[in-house]
Amino acid sequence: GNSVTQMEGPVTLSEEAFLTINCTYTATGYPSLFWYVQYPGEGLQLLLKATKADDKGSNKGFEATYRKETTSFHLEKGSVQVSDSAVYFCALSDRPFMKTSYDKVIFGPGTSLSVIP
Amino acid sequence: EAGVAQSPRYKIIEKRQSVAFWCNPISGHATLYWYQQILGQGPKLLIQFQNNGVVDDSQLPKDRFSAERLKGVDSTLKIQPAKLEDSAVYLCASRSTGPGTGGAQYFGPGTRLTVT
Repeated sequence: GNSVTQMEGPVTLSEEAFLTINCTYTATGYPSLFWYVQYPGEGLQLLLKATKADDKGSNKGFEATYRKETTSFHLEKGSVQVSDSAVYFCALSDRPFMKTSYDKVIFGPGTSLSVIP
Repeated sequence: EAGVAQSPRYKIIEKRQSVAFWCNPISGHATLYWYQQILGQGPKLLIQFQNNGVVDDSQLPKDRFSAERLKGVDSTLKIQPAKLEDSAVYLCASRSTGPGTGGAQYFGPGTRLTVT
């Protein structure tokens, strides 16, 4: 079945450091891929998405490229800020079977990021 | 545009009691999801509605959990009777696009349930 794997956290970085959070997936179809962010005490928010191979999603300085050949969707940011401290979830949306009419969404376990001044 | 609304935000109950959570999705969103998020884990899908019909409830513990979405708009999730392991945040989300289009979900703030 479909699955999402993320690098384990917590990740602690100094302000202005480069961030990479790895995400790989397995899927039977052609999934859409997402990164969601959860700030302390809040619900999940969509950070960025990509719907087909080689698409690059970007938002708030974060980027991720849909790599079908490596089944990956790694999240990157060139210079993190304290305000980026949150939990980041990689997710995929796919049809479980060709004839079904709905998408099944699966989330990874999340990676906690702490950015220190 | 108003976001996904959930209530209550917090609930503390004793084991074997019952509890209900309410969700009002973004207007016009046909797809509604209920997730359970245990501390330190990713959201786990409990049930997915398309309009007022259930399309996936494979991970819903049906002996104690139930959900409905009358009239295809707001939804209620119920637990009866609650167990200690039900302590979690219950998230509601909705999505605007139809199946197969990869639309993003919009989440409510969640209900934090503590079972003592």
